[in-house]
Amino acid sequence: GAGVSQSPSNKVTEKGKDVELRCDPISGHTALYWYRQSLGQGLEFLIYFQGNSAPDKSGLPSDRFSAERTGGSVSTLTIQRTQQEDSAVYLCASSLALIQDSNQPQHFGDGTRLSIL
Amino acid sequence: KQEVTQIPAALSVPEGENLVLNCSFTDSAIYNLQWFRQDPGKGLTSLLLIQSSQREQTSGRLNASLDKSSGRSTLYIAASQPGDSATYLCAVDGTASKLTFGTGTRLQVTL
Repeated sequence: GAGVSQSPSNKVTEKGKDVELRCDPISGHTALYWYRQSLGQGLEFLIYFQGNSAPDKSGLPSDRFSAERTGGSVSTLTIQRTQQEDSAVYLCASSLALIQDSNQPQHFGDGTRLSIL
Repeated sequence: KQEVTQIPAALSVPEGENLVLNCSFTDSAIYNLQWFRQDPGKGLTSLLLIQSSQREQTSGRLNASLDKSSGRSTLYIAASQPGDSATYLCAVDGTASKLTFGTGTRLQVTL
C-alpha cells in the first residue's frame, strides 16, 4: 500500500471490554512500532517488532497490553479489560529496518483514537 | 532516562517570516534525531532525519541542525506559509529503536 494503514480509525468501548487494534505496515518494511499519544503525556513508545519478533516489551504499560505480528506484516495491539486511562490515540509506524541499523525514517499511520467510557 | 524538550510550546507568526524551533535532549548518546510534522487528527509525517554523525539536513524550505555534544537541534523554516501550520515534534533514537519524543511546538502561520 501507499502508507501505513490502521484500523479502526475510531473506537469507543465500555470499560472492561477487550479491544484489538490493527496495523498494516508499508510493504517490505521489516520494522514495526507502536506508540501511544495521550493528552498531557505526549507520544509514548510501547513496543517494536523486527520481523515477527518483539525483543523488548518493557514499554507496554501493563500486562493487559499485548501485541503480535504475523508473517512479518500485519500487527495487532490488544488491550484487555480496558480502563479509562487507556483512552488515547494509538499510532503505528514502520521502517525499512531498525533505525540503528540503517537510519531509516519511521513512517506513521493516522492512528486509532480509542475512547473508553 | 532520555528527556526531550521543545520550546516554544506554541508560536504564531505572519506569513513570510523565517522561524526557528528548538529541541534539546539530555542524553547525547543517540543514533539520530528526527523532526516530524503532525496535522490535527493525523499521524506523523517525517520531515528530516539527521544521523548522529551529521550536523544538518535540508529539504526545501526546511533546515535542521544537530549539535549532539550540547544536546540541541533546531528546525529552521524559511518563508513560512499558512500550510506550514501544524505541530512540530522532534524525536531522538538512543537505543533499541525507541524514539523519545518532545511535547511539540504548535505553529500557526497567519495570513
